[in-house]
Amino acid sequence: EAGVAQSPRYKIIEKRQSVAFWCNPISGHATLYWYQQILGQGPKLLIQFQNNGVVDDSQLPKDRFSAERLKGVDSTLKIQPAKLEDSAVYLCASSLGGVSTEAFFGQGTRLTVV
Amino acid sequence: DQQVKQNSPSLSVQEGRISILNCDYTNSMFDYFLWYKKYPAEGPTFLISISSIKDKNEDGRFTVFLNKSAKHLSLHIVPSQPGDSAVYFCAATYTGANSKLTFGKGITLSVRP
Repeated sequence: EAGVAQSPRYKIIEKRQSVAFWCNPISGHATLYWYQQILGQGPKLLIQFQNNGVVDDSQLPKDRFSAERLKGVDSTLKIQPAKLEDSAVYLCASSLGGVSTEAFFGQGTRLTVV
Repeated sequence: DQQVKQNSPSLSVQEGRISILNCDYTNSMFDYFLWYKKYPAEGPTFLISISSIKDKNEDGRFTVFLNKSAKHLSLHIVPSQPGDSAVYFCAATYTGANSKLTFGKGITLSVRP
């Protein structure tokens, strides 16, 4: 069974530029998550989708971050414009749904903003 | 406000000995807890979980203990192996609509050969 796929693996951009990350979840997984992991911290949930609907985006900085999950499968996360403090690993995860189901993570995209 | 706390940033143990990784939580609503393991340049992978209706769950060399009154859980690895060297994240969630995982900061475990 294929895992969660993310691209790109690494990205370096200048501040004020824009960037987009892509995620393809495990087939059949209804729930998709985007997490931000800053160095030395645990993953922090940015947004959670159930199929193609947003169920939690309370910690998403909506003035610069946006995410969509068209057709309830793939998802993209965009940052525009980027700030230095956005440097982090962006992790996508998916799960079948339900509290007793663990989430499966992709390898992440390491973003460096200079 | 950190709802899941892993207060020790690192732990070093000898191969073959026991590793004990601790985690505390503050939110009484949490009723399901998970441990994830993360190698460098990889995403976290699920290791073991426990529901609040239990106080122990075992899977091979890994055992998780839950003390609800103390809001404390621990992961025991016996015996520890060099391949266990990684960052371990404790995570918690609760039963209900739109539940989400809240992670601790992680503990870096080093198992010395």
